[in-house]
Amino acid sequence: DAKTTQPPSMDCAEGRAANLPCNHSTISGNEYVYWYRQIHSQGPQYIIHGLKNNETNEMASLIITEDRKSSTLILPHATLRDTAVYYCIAPNNLFFGTGTRLTVIP
Amino acid sequence: DSGVTQTPKHLITATGQRVTLRCSPRSGDLSVYWYQQSLDQGLQFLIQYYNGEERAKGNILERFSAQQFPDLHSELNLSSLELGDSALYFCASSVGWGGGPTDTQYFGPGTRLTVL
Repeated sequence: DAKTTQPPSMDCAEGRAANLPCNHSTISGNEYVYWYRQIHSQGPQYIIHGLKNNETNEMASLIITEDRKSSTLILPHATLRDTAVYYCIAPNNLFFGTGTRLTVIP
Repeated sequence: DSGVTQTPKHLITATGQRVTLRCSPRSGDLSVYWYQQSLDQGLQFLIQYYNGEERAKGNILERFSAQQFPDLHSELNLSSLELGDSALYFCASSVGWGGGPTDTQYFGPGTRLTVL
């Protein structure tokens, strides 16, 4: 039983920013939001996580709304290698759901 | 390489049989998670162990069981196998046990189980 809601699929032009939304309205105050991605049938790969402040690392940025009920993962310059299924996880970091299938288009 | 190892990589067996999947977590990680992923489906959480104790349970069938040993490796046992059990089985590990800042899950490459 997924506790997050994500669009099933999105397209993004190569070189443009990809903005992937996630709703996690049941998240509790001390739970972190985690994002992972899965390329083909490989094991999912960690991207980023955050609590309430915006976060950035070498892979992506994470914007969390002030009420913490939703977040957006931003891939600033999408490449073809970013084509994958992206999962937003919260609460308890256990229920992955079906994620968003991002297709980066040349 | 995530540091999590899973064996075997592939497993082909017949209905009604029993198999054991093995997972070795990253050094220092105390939590082990098991997930099932059927064809073109999302990841289904099965069970989590933390430092040898069951921590959380998802939609794990009664025919399935798991344990975490004192050296922290884990085994997932699948019995009375059915065609529908064919799937990728992933193991992940993390330092902590919940949704906190140290609970990044690192996934192994998976075991592909085919039940004929």
